[in-house]
Amino acid sequence: QVQLVQSGAEMKKPGASVTVSCKASGYTFTTYGISWVRQAPGQGLEWLGWISTYKGNTQYTQKLQGRITMTRETSTSTAYMELWSLRSDDSAVYYCARGEEFCTGGVCYTRYYFDQWGQGTLVTVSS
Amino acid sequence: QSALTQPASVSGSPGQSITISCTGTSSDVESYNLVSWYQQHPGKAPKLMIYEGVKRPSGVSNRFSGSKSGNTASLTISGLQAEDEADYYCYSYAGTSTRVFGGGTKLTVL
Repeated sequence: QVQLVQSGAEMKKPGASVTVSCKASGYTFTTYGISWVRQAPGQGLEWLGWISTYKGNTQYTQKLQGRITMTRETSTSTAYMELWSLRSDDSAVYYCARGEEFCTGGVCYTRYYFDQWGQGTLVTVSS
Repeated sequence: QSALTQPASVSGSPGQSITISCTGTSSDVESYNLVSWYQQHPGKAPKLMIYEGVKRPSGVSNRFSGSKSGNTASLTISGLQAEDEADYYCYSYAGTSTRVFGGGTKLTVL
């Protein structure tokens, strides 16, 4: 079955960086884009950006431009999200989710919804 | 880009129907039939319930339906069940490098 399995919880100090991984299984990794969404404690969902696992191009929310990078390693079917210069308001559960793009036969189609989600990774930023 | 507007809470009794609204602008909901809805139980990852405004993924109960009028999308749940109690979020494409979620609605089944 389709699964997205994320790395474990992280505790970081302000100013540090964090990398969260998302390993896909049960489907061809490069067929679907991977998006990242976060949820601060007791708050709603916030879209952070996405990466084309097929081509490697990325789009990020303007709010985090310059502090976030998304990459992927196709040989291990794993996507990564790195956030640096961490602040206390970056404390949240970070989710990867399958969506944004569907690629088949060398053609990619937009797909603006998330049909599979990782289990979430809690990132706590505290001094 | 502001969040889409959802009521903070709605409630209904078992067997009843409820509707959750999601109000956006001409830059998102009104311009695209790309609203999706997610159900989130406490401590769990969100689950896709409706996509592209009205489509239901395989495995999702037909008690869940989506619609849109102008800049407002809606999620209707008919025949409410206890297991439907959760938070619900709408989401929309809003242009290049812009996507927006609603603030979330807490559904209570009385």
